[in-house]
Amino acid sequence: GIQVEQSPPDLILQEGANSTLRCNFSDSVNNLQWFHQNPWGQLINLFYIPSGTKQNGRLSATTVATERYSLLYISSSQTTDSGVYFCAGHNAGKSTFGDGTTLTVKP
Amino acid sequence: EAGVAQSPRYKIIEKRQSVAFWCNPISGHATLYWYQQILGQGPKLLIQFQNNGVVDDSQLPKDRFSAERLKGVDSTLKIQPAKLEDSAVYLCASSLPSSNGYTFGSGTRLTVV
Repeated sequence: GIQVEQSPPDLILQEGANSTLRCNFSDSVNNLQWFHQNPWGQLINLFYIPSGTKQNGRLSATTVATERYSLLYISSSQTTDSGVYFCAGHNAGKSTFGDGTTLTVKP
Repeated sequence: EAGVAQSPRYKIIEKRQSVAFWCNPISGHATLYWYQQILGQGPKLLIQFQNNGVVDDSQLPKDRFSAERLKGVDSTLKIQPAKLEDSAVYLCASSLPSSNGYTFGSGTRLTVV
């Protein structure tokens, strides 16, 4: 199966700062999804983005499928953005998650 | 729409005991997934169902884990006997066949002592 690598593994920000999270995958994927896991463990779907760019409020994501990576942008971060961000690559009906980026936003 | 329902939320058992988890997917979602998430790692797929048929169970430890989805709706995942390394969060997710992504339940946190 594909390998999914996320960077950085940990990120600490002051409230109001911007950040970029990266997801690299070892092979082509049909689809790519970004999730936020909150401190209570709930995985929330952020974006389903096989290619191109999508925006939802302060969050946006870009996937460049030909170069096998995706980026998640968080602007004007808030303390509620804290948690772990996962990307998952889907290929041939199978999905693989990265090990996540742990984001801490300090007030 | 109602989300993916899972129960119980927490379970503590001794090693060698058995345990079962239940999942009810979003209505109309034919595809159902069980994931295992060990602390500090991303979720790992255990089994994927399409209606009541198994699509992928290549990472399911079949000597101790079993899962079923008899009527193509809700599903149960069982561990028998449990080992210490089974301590993890067990997540259920569902999606439409022409998936626009998964929706996850809240998970069951299992502690084996």
